[in-house]
Amino acid sequence: SQQGEEDPQALSIQEGENATMNCSYKTSINNLQWYRQNSGRGLVHLILIRSNEREKHSGRLRVTLDTSKKSSSLLITASRAADTASYFCATDAAGSGGGSEKLVFGKGTKLTVNP
Amino acid sequence: EPEVTQTPSHQVTQMGQEVILRCVPISNHLYFYWYRQILGQKVEFLVSFYNNEISEKSEIFDDQFSVERPDGSNFTLKIRSTKLEDSAMYFCASSEWASGYYNEQFFGPGTRLTVL
Repeated sequence: SQQGEEDPQALSIQEGENATMNCSYKTSINNLQWYRQNSGRGLVHLILIRSNEREKHSGRLRVTLDTSKKSSSLLITASRAADTASYFCATDAAGSGGGSEKLVFGKGTKLTVNP
Repeated sequence: EPEVTQTPSHQVTQMGQEVILRCVPISNHLYFYWYRQILGQKVEFLVSFYNNEISEKSEIFDDQFSVERPDGSNFTLKIRSTKLEDSAMYFCASSEWASGYYNEQFFGPGTRLTVL
């Protein structure tokens, strides 16, 4: 079955440093999305990268996608204490007729940014 | 900025009771979803809904669950007879498009369901 799996499971850095999180998945996808979740709260959509894209930027976020390796990375530059949260990748399945609508989430990376 | 809203934020119920979780998707979106997250676990897909019918559901979404769009704005998830294992955070999501390159799903803040 298709799965997004992030690593590392937990990451602790100092404010101002960059944070890199990785995601791997198993099947062909249409797109991959990254979400942030503050403890016990909702999922905030960060960025979507399509399967025909290799890199995408949004503010301090940089996402790469390597479909040959079935992997993606999320880079947060110049991190802030407010970036402390769990980060999830989610994929949807490619297939005939557009594939599946459901998103499959990984377990997430818990990022702690220390002031 | 438009957002998905959900009510209530927290629902406590007794085992065997019926609960209805409510969501207001983003107004121009046509595709609606429910997901759940049991504490400490992954976010899991439950069901997707388009054009007033279920378009896809997971094995979790059994006969105890139902969804409805009772009017032009609300989207509800009903659990007929709650079990202890239904305790979870339930997220509603919506997207303008369905699968493919444009399936950007936006999530609500969630309803924390506690079954006692």
